[in-house]
Amino acid sequence: DQQVKQNSPSLSVQEGRISILNCDYTNSMFDYFLWYKKYPAEGPTFLISISSIKDKNEDGRFTVFLNKSAKHLSLHIVPSQPGDSAVYFCAASAAGNTPLVFGKGTRLSVIA
Amino acid sequence: EAGVVQSPRYKIIEKKQPVAFWCNPISGHNTLYWYLQNLGQGPELLIRYENEEAVDDSQLPKDRFSAERLKGVDSTLKIQPAELGDSAVYLCASSLAGQGAIEQYFGPGTRLTVT
Repeated sequence: DQQVKQNSPSLSVQEGRISILNCDYTNSMFDYFLWYKKYPAEGPTFLISISSIKDKNEDGRFTVFLNKSAKHLSLHIVPSQPGDSAVYFCAASAAGNTPLVFGKGTRLSVIA
Repeated sequence: EAGVVQSPRYKIIEKKQPVAFWCNPISGHNTLYWYLQNLGQGPELLIRYENEEAVDDSQLPKDRFSAERLKGVDSTLKIQPAELGDSAVYLCASSLAGQGAIEQYFGPGTRLTVT
């Protein structure tokens, strides 16, 4: 049973437009959520996170929204740039320094 | 500051052979993780260390996999004997415990191919 789901394997967006990546989770014990970006032949790189006590966290072009009642979070990238093309993983943790549970990832392609 | 270092980056071995991967975490990070990433999947935890103690190894196939972190710094993950299904990327990550934020920082991974 997959606890963190990224239902869109891929997404294609034009440069300058908004990219919206979605993530759903099933475990109500999750209280910390993270997004990682992964380029080919590299390890995942931490991008942005959000605690369950918040519903929004913003860092430059990246904003993560959390809807706890729907067990849903999304990552918005505005404006999208070609360098944003990568695989994006959603991850969640139950509490403290516990292992992250990852989704399968969404491949974002930003077209110039 | 140097990131998480892993070696080798790539390894090709025949089935039934042993293989070992090495990881050096970010300086000062007391928590170290080994993850397995299959093609088209997200990373899945194999083992987590707090300093030199393995605090979560429930997902580690102990019949063929072993890991150690003797001095609480670098770590080695071993497979003996390797099977075809072990072909994957093995990722190491580290983090600071007790800091509130729980971001984990990943190394580049070791891509293992078992033939």
